[in-house]
Amino acid sequence: QKEVEQNSGPLSVPEGAIASLNCTYSDRVSQSFFWYRQYSGKSPELIMSIYSNGDKEDGRFTAQLNKASQYVSLLIRDSQPSDSATYLCALNPGTGRRALTFGSGTRLQVQP
Amino acid sequence: DGGITQSPKYLFRKEGQNVTLSCEQNLNHDAMYWYRQDPGQGLRLIYYSQIVNDFQKGDIAEGYSVSREKKESFPLTVTSAQKNPTAFYLCASSMDSGTGNTEAFFGQGTRLTVV
Repeated sequence: QKEVEQNSGPLSVPEGAIASLNCTYSDRVSQSFFWYRQYSGKSPELIMSIYSNGDKEDGRFTAQLNKASQYVSLLIRDSQPSDSATYLCALNPGTGRRALTFGSGTRLQVQP
Repeated sequence: DGGITQSPKYLFRKEGQNVTLSCEQNLNHDAMYWYRQDPGQGLRLIYYSQIVNDFQKGDIAEGYSVSREKKESFPLTVTSAQKNPTAFYLCASSMDSGTGNTEAFFGQGTRLTVV
């Protein structure tokens, strides 16, 4: 089982809709979680971090964390064509290696 | 401007050659990382360093080497022992206060191609 699982997509949503991106993880002791956006050919850009159960909102983005279910999600409200990118879920393991572990990413397409 | 600078942006390697990718940061971050990304895949950890003069292997360290002689610099050498080096290489850094709850920021990447 992969440490961080994401559906590769593509996830296609119409402009103005809510895009919901999901991520599950296997390490129960993981404490910190991150969402990165990566445009084609570019490096990842941090858009959200979340450390506690519940929701965290930043503009059009909401990250949701449920440690009991080992599940983290990213909601993008009022999706725009410029949101079309690959979204990478990452976590910092709770023990041992102190470096981010990444999922393989979900490709989001926002249709105008 | 504060940030992470990787150079070169594009690099071509001949078979049997060693090449070195540069990564410099002026964010005063303690920790630095090297990841490799293959098309359509996520990032895989090659090496990381929490402090000067110390570094640890990641998941795919074979065929790579690093050094951390200065806090600002973490160069990666792709040796001839790396049989499939064509990939997008990403350097990152983080404050790493020791809690693990810190974000990592990336350079613009180096695209390495074997010719």
